[in-house]
Amino acid sequence: GIQVEQSPPDLILQEGANSTLRCNFSDSVNNLQWFHQNPWGQLINLFYIPSGTKQNGRLSATTVATERYSLLYISSSQTTDSGVYFCAGPNQAGTALIFGKGTTLSVSS
Amino acid sequence: EPEVTQTPSHQVTQMGQEVILRCVPISNHLYFYWYRQILGQKVEFLVSFYNNEISEKSEIFDDQFSVERPDGSNFTLKIRSTKLEDSAMYFCASSGVWERLYEQYFGPGTRLTVT
Repeated sequence: GIQVEQSPPDLILQEGANSTLRCNFSDSVNNLQWFHQNPWGQLINLFYIPSGTKQNGRLSATTVATERYSLLYISSSQTTDSGVYFCAGPNQAGTALIFGKGTTLSVSS
Repeated sequence: EPEVTQTPSHQVTQMGQEVILRCVPISNHLYFYWYRQILGQKVEFLVSFYNNEISEKSEIFDDQFSVERPDGSNFTLKIRSTKLEDSAMYFCASSGVWERLYEQYFGPGTRLTVT
């Protein structure tokens, strides 16, 4: 099945800084999602982005399907952005999401 | 905005006991899933369910696990005889609306603690 690799594993930022999180996947995908897991453990949908670029406020994401990677950009980071960011792609049958190990982001004021 | 709900939010049980975790998927979705996350680890797929039957299951989903859609709204995960290693956060998810057929929405999770 698909392998999903995320980098960096950990990221420490000062409030106001920008960051880029990367997700590499081993096979072509027709579904790629980014999630934010908040300190309470909830998985919040950020983007459904099998290809192209999307923006939502201070966050944006780009997936280059032909090169098998996706990027999540966080601009002007805030302490509430802290948590773990996961990307996930479909298994071979398309019936499940395979998650990466996540990037743990800590934003301090 | 429609959302996936799960109950209970936290369940503590003794080893060997049966537990049932409950989920109400988004009402017009067609596909339902269970995932688990052991503390500090990544989210792992357990099972997917479509048209009243399991469409795929992982190696984790052994004979101790079962799923059911007992009515038009609920989706349950049963663990027959819990083990210490079943302690984890269990997430229910659903998907299946037209062009965003595979976009999955997750519930808030049930934290299961087996003692």
